[in-house]
Amino acid sequence: SAVISQKPSRDICQRGTSLTIQCQVDSQVTMMFWYRQQPGQSLTLIATANQGSEATYESGFVIDKFPISRPNLTFSTLTVSNMSPEDSSIYLCSVGGMDEQYFGPGTRLTVT
Amino acid sequence: AQSVTQLGSHVSVSEGALVLLRCNYSSSVPPYLFWYVQYPNQGLQLLLKYTTGATLVKGINGFEAEFKKSETSFHLTKPSAHMSDAAEYFCAVSEAGGGADGLTFGKGTHLIIQP
Repeated sequence: SAVISQKPSRDICQRGTSLTIQCQVDSQVTMMFWYRQQPGQSLTLIATANQGSEATYESGFVIDKFPISRPNLTFSTLTVSNMSPEDSSIYLCSVGGMDEQYFGPGTRLTVT
Repeated sequence: AQSVTQLGSHVSVSEGALVLLRCNYSSSVPPYLFWYVQYPNQGLQLLLKYTTGATLVKGINGFEAEFKKSETSFHLTKPSAHMSDAAEYFCAVSEAGGGADGLTFGKGTHLIIQP
């Protein structure tokens, strides 16, 4: 298994600003994923981040809004840019293991 | 494209009663199937997974699920509910192995345990 930490755990931000969320893993992993969980909803995949390549975004998500960095095999960041209240969600990172994914505790973002 | 349908956004059972949470999937290839649990204000924890082989899989906390290809189902059961089982449960599917691509989640089922 993998131990995943995220920073910040929660934040309240003003509309129009940006927030960068960090995801740290205790071991080297190839595949990292970012998900969004809107209030009372399920999880939706935002993008897949492999070290050394550009992130692959799912339909409905674009790099200008959610830029992702993956500088090494244990770390990734997701930035939520030019935020609006509709971006209020929990953002979770996960890592790929043997036939399963391990999830971080999430970052609870509220945009006012 | 793959998809997951969870029947019942809320399920209420009495403590000690059988828990049955329903999940049906759609996949163009043999799927990898998962059940995750999310306790309030916490991240997701893997309950169990089906990859290949035995269709009845056992997970943590006394939960189990059976993969039924003919019914495209992967229902989650527990013989006797405990108050600590109250949580949100998500069924998920992957077509390339759970570690190799993103998961597609169902909408979730909120399990309520009545004393």
